[in-house]
Amino acid sequence: QVQLVQSGAEVKKPGASVKVSCKAPGYTFTNYYLHWVRQAPGQGLEWMGIINPSGGSRTYAQKFHGRVTMTSDTSTSTVYMELSSLRSADTAVYYCARGSGYIPATRYYFDYWGQGTLVTVSS
Amino acid sequence: DIVMTQSPDSLAVSLGERATINCKSSQSVLYSSNDKNYLAWYQQKPGQPPKLLIYWASTRESGVPDRFSGSGSGTDFTLTISSLQAEDVAVYYCQQYYSNTYTFGQGTKLEIK
Repeated sequence: QVQLVQSGAEVKKPGASVKVSCKAPGYTFTNYYLHWVRQAPGQGLEWMGIINPSGGSRTYAQKFHGRVTMTSDTSTSTVYMELSSLRSADTAVYYCARGSGYIPATRYYFDYWGQGTLVTVSS
Repeated sequence: DIVMTQSPDSLAVSLGERATINCKSSQSVLYSSNDKNYLAWYQQKPGQPPKLLIYWASTRESGVPDRFSGSGSGTDFTLTISSLQAEDVAVYYCQQYYSNTYTFGQGTKLEIK
């Protein structure tokens, strides 16, 4: 069945980078876009960007331009989200989520979510 | 970006009673060529990822109890829980996927009165 399995919690110092992985067994990896969404403690959901797992297009939310990089490894059905120049405001749970429409349809709801990865930024 | 605004921010309802959550978008999320509203609802319980409840504004996801229903069109939407159960305590989010910068409402916390 569809699963999105994320890497474990991370603690980083301000100014460092973090790379979170999302492994997607259970379906044809290259058929669906994957999104990244984050949630600061006690706050709402914030969309960060979308990637075509075939290694093609990616679109980032304006807020994260220049700091976020999303990549994909089709051999392991894994996508990655790297966020650089970390600050305390980046402390959050980071989720990957699958867009439910077949590529190239981008405008679809998110039908499966990873379990989340807590990233803590602290000196 | 399309701004999604939910009301109320929190809501307390007695068991077995109706709960209603509203969501308003800053511009229409109705796509005229297919007459679909690009609006979803998610439920999030503490320590869990969001769970899809409703998509296309009113289509219930498989396995979601039929006490959950979605309605509305254009810019105004509603999530209704017809008879509140204890397991429905959660935060509920609306989301638009009309634009390629997907945005969520701020969330509505639903509690038992």
